[in-house]
Amino acid sequence: GEDVEQSLFLSVREGDSSVINCTYTDSSSTYLYWYKQEPGAGLQLLTYIFSNMDMKQDQRLTVLLNKKDKHLSLRIADTQTGDSAIYFCAESRDGNDMRFGAGTRLTVKP
Amino acid sequence: NAGVTQTPKFRVLKTGQSMTLLCAQDMNHEYMYWYRQDPGMGLRLIHYSVGEGTTAKGEVPDGYNVSRLKKQNFLLGLESAAPSQTSVYFCASSRGDRRKRTEAFFGQGTRLTVV
Repeated sequence: GEDVEQSLFLSVREGDSSVINCTYTDSSSTYLYWYKQEPGAGLQLLTYIFSNMDMKQDQRLTVLLNKKDKHLSLRIADTQTGDSAIYFCAESRDGNDMRFGAGTRLTVKP
Repeated sequence: NAGVTQTPKFRVLKTGQSMTLLCAQDMNHEYMYWYRQDPGMGLRLIHYSVGEGTTAKGEVPDGYNVSRLKKQNFLLGLESAAPSQTSVYFCASSRGDRRKRTEAFFGQGTRLTVV
């Protein structure tokens, strides 16, 4: 089946930028998402991008999409301790059947 | 707003027992989903529903059944639990409108252990 891959861990210092990377294999992906999961909670949509875009910015978050390489990244500027969480990359063809990566655990050190 | 509520939050089952996980949403969403989350594997779709009275298989449907008798509820059943079904189960819902389908709202999860 189609895969979504991301590294499992990332550690940064407070105030630095974080970059979480994701690769996917489905060339028919239409929607690409970043979800955040805090301890003991469900997933919360952070942002998404359509496959016909190459960048989306939302306050401290910047999503970059390289459709040719099937590479998605999430940059968090001025990372804070409250950003510590697991970040999931996901993709979907039609918005109904999302395929998730394993999640990247972001640890922000003071 | 409650959003998406899952019941129960924790459960321990013995192998062979059955149980039903309940998901309720109060956002009048058309689409509802059941996922399982396992360490190092992300979320995998078990079953989903695109409207009241409809269900469809996802990526890992074996060993599970679902029902969507009411629009606001989506039930996930395990007829004969197996240790391989130990996982965290998440329910989600989305509007089903093409413009808004991109956002799915998740419940807090049900941690199920089968011994």
